[in-house]
Amino acid sequence: GENVEQHPSTLSVQEGDSAVIKCTYSDSASNYFPWYKQELGKGPQLIIDIRSNVGEKKDQRIAVTLNKTAKHFSLHITETQPEDSAVYFCAASGNSGGSNYKLTFGKGTLLTVNP
Amino acid sequence: DTAVSQTPKYLVTQMGNDKSIKCEQNLGHDTMYWYKQDSKKFLKIMFSYNNKELIINETVPNRFSPKSPDKAHLNLHINSLELGDSAVYFCASSHGQGTEQYFGPGTRLTVT
Repeated sequence: GENVEQHPSTLSVQEGDSAVIKCTYSDSASNYFPWYKQELGKGPQLIIDIRSNVGEKKDQRIAVTLNKTAKHFSLHITETQPEDSAVYFCAASGNSGGSNYKLTFGKGTLLTVNP
Repeated sequence: DTAVSQTPKYLVTQMGNDKSIKCEQNLGHDTMYWYKQDSKKFLKIMFSYNNKELIINETVPNRFSPKSPDKAHLNLHINSLELGDSAVYFCASSHGQGTEQYFGPGTRLTVT
């Protein structure tokens, strides 16, 4: 099955700096890669996603890049703000071998933005 | 309007009891999921239903029984609760498979 590795597990940055979180996946059939933000006491919230036919996607201060050959994808947050502080999860999904789509999550990155 | 809602938000119970968690979505989605998030924040899928039919069952003990009375609801019943069942349980929904999943606020289950 799919295995998603996420690094780093914790990341502390100063307000205004950029933050980068990286993930690798194992199943070459995976073709959908979402990123979720989870604030304390809340459910994960989708912030951006990318599909395998696209190499990069941007939404204001957030961008995601995908390298299918290397099987890794990254989340980039620019001009970080204290409200960006949360746990971020990457995930991968695909119908490998014709099986049903299933999201496999990384173990999360606790991002702290210091004012 | 809440898109994916769960009840209860907190559930404290003793070992051996049976409990249920309810989930409802008003997004018109046809696929719903249950996830378990352990104390280390690891999110793992348990079940997935598409149009009320079970399509994913991730080696979950048969003490856990999901039920989908209609496309908008997916409930989770847990028999003979154990200490290791303590976790936060999230419901999610999507339009079809391989698309964006929207999560509920979670149910924190504590088994004593």
